Amino acid sequence: DSGVTQTPKHLITATGQRVTLRCSPRSGDLSVYWYQQSLDQGLQFLIQYYNGEERAKGNILERFSAQQFPDLHSELNLSSLELGDSALYFCASSVGLRGAGANVLTFGAGSRLTVL
Amino acid sequence: AQRVTQPEKLLSVFKGAPVELKCNYSYSGSPELFWYVQYSRQRLQLLLRHISRESIKGFTADLNKGETSFHLKKPFAQEEDSAMYYCALGNAGGTSYGKLTFGQGTILTVHP
Repeated sequence: DSGVTQTPKHLITATGQRVTLRCSPRSGDLSVYWYQQSLDQGLQFLIQYYNGEERAKGNILERFSAQQFPDLHSELNLSSLELGDSALYFCASSVGLRGAGANVLTFGAGSRLTVL
Repeated sequence: AQRVTQPEKLLSVFKGAPVELKCNYSYSGSPELFWYVQYSRQRLQLLLRHISRESIKGFTADLNKGETSFHLKKPFAQEEDSAMYYCALGNAGGTSYGKLTFGQGTILTVHP
């Protein structure tokens, strides 16, 4: 599958815990984006990486961090989890920083996080 | 600041009826508009983008800069069109590529 791959699909954890979500971008894409989808907030942009470097930040909490590795996969780390962090976390990728395809995102299937 | 408004959370139509999903945006730069669709149990996928000016699955959308709108239309809805539809706004210039702002989404249900 050359699309965007996210693991795990589902994750249930307790408040105060820390989790790591993983994303492999579509083959050839250098930009990775993380979005949070919740019932009340809709789809919110969290952070963007391009070729290993952070490029843009959205409404990402200080308890959350991300990185993109040399092989271009990315991880989103969520710590000191709260009930309100329960959401679907999407990863998306695009070809690059600018140009015709830069705004065209390919999404993964998402990781559903439930904090109890 | 970028903002996308989809005024209808839910939209129900009967098969064969015309459908229009509304989207208004607020942006001071050069906008690029998209419609993404999420079918049941599937991932979010691009339906169409304004610069392509194409019709996908019978859907069209025209960017109206005067009214800052990008409504999605289909003349004859099909049951398989039932899905969540998101309007999204991106920057067509500068350095904010890919940082799309999404609307709240509209759940379209097409009844037989």
